[in-house]
Amino acid sequence: AQSVTQLDSHVSVSEGTPVLLRCNYSSSYSPSLFWYVQHPNKGLQLLLKYTSAATLVKGINGFEAEFKKSETSFHLTKPSAHMSDAAEYFCVLRNAGNMLTFGGGTRLMVKP
Amino acid sequence: DTGVSQDPRHKITKRGQNVTFRCDPISEHNRLYWYRQTLGQGPEFLTYFQNEAQLEKSRLLSDRFSAERPKGSFSTLEIQRTEQGDSAMYLCASSLGDLRANEQFFGPGTRLTVL
Repeated sequence: AQSVTQLDSHVSVSEGTPVLLRCNYSSSYSPSLFWYVQHPNKGLQLLLKYTSAATLVKGINGFEAEFKKSETSFHLTKPSAHMSDAAEYFCVLRNAGNMLTFGGGTRLMVKP
Repeated sequence: DTGVSQDPRHKITKRGQNVTFRCDPISEHNRLYWYRQTLGQGPEFLTYFQNEAQLEKSRLLSDRFSAERPKGSFSTLEIQRTEQGDSAMYLCASSLGDLRANEQFFGPGTRLTVL
């Protein structure tokens, strides 16, 4: 069985400070992992993906994530938060049939 | 706009009524997926099609739910005899081919409220 756990349901940061959204996964095979972002009234948008190439993955809008097999983690980071980053973020695991398993989500709030 | 579209965006219905949602995928995408997202949760997989063939259904998809993709293009998701527990956002996604690297593109969703 595979699963995704997002360790924080809410994260609040000040504009200009670093962002860390934590994700742990469980998978019986080499995983493909993604981070999606969901803004209110908009569709889910892919931020970045890991598919067994480089373990440090760079995505859009300055986000990046590092795959750590030993820790079964895929944390999302950004050096400096912007007000427009406020949204819901989902860590996602893909199975062999291309079906996605989503974590519970982390709501990122950015204070001015 | 050439992304995934869904119609309607919002649907309010009374318990016991039937509802149908439509999804139009990106035109060249042969895979189409349905997910359900309840408030405060991540989306959960319901079913997917490759062309017109429905290849997998989640245990979440009760007998009251049926999905079709008759010509391998748009898809419909019907819920019969709706229950209050069916209230959720229903998301559609599409992807090109069956390669593991292919991204799923999501539509804006249909929000269903069952009174």
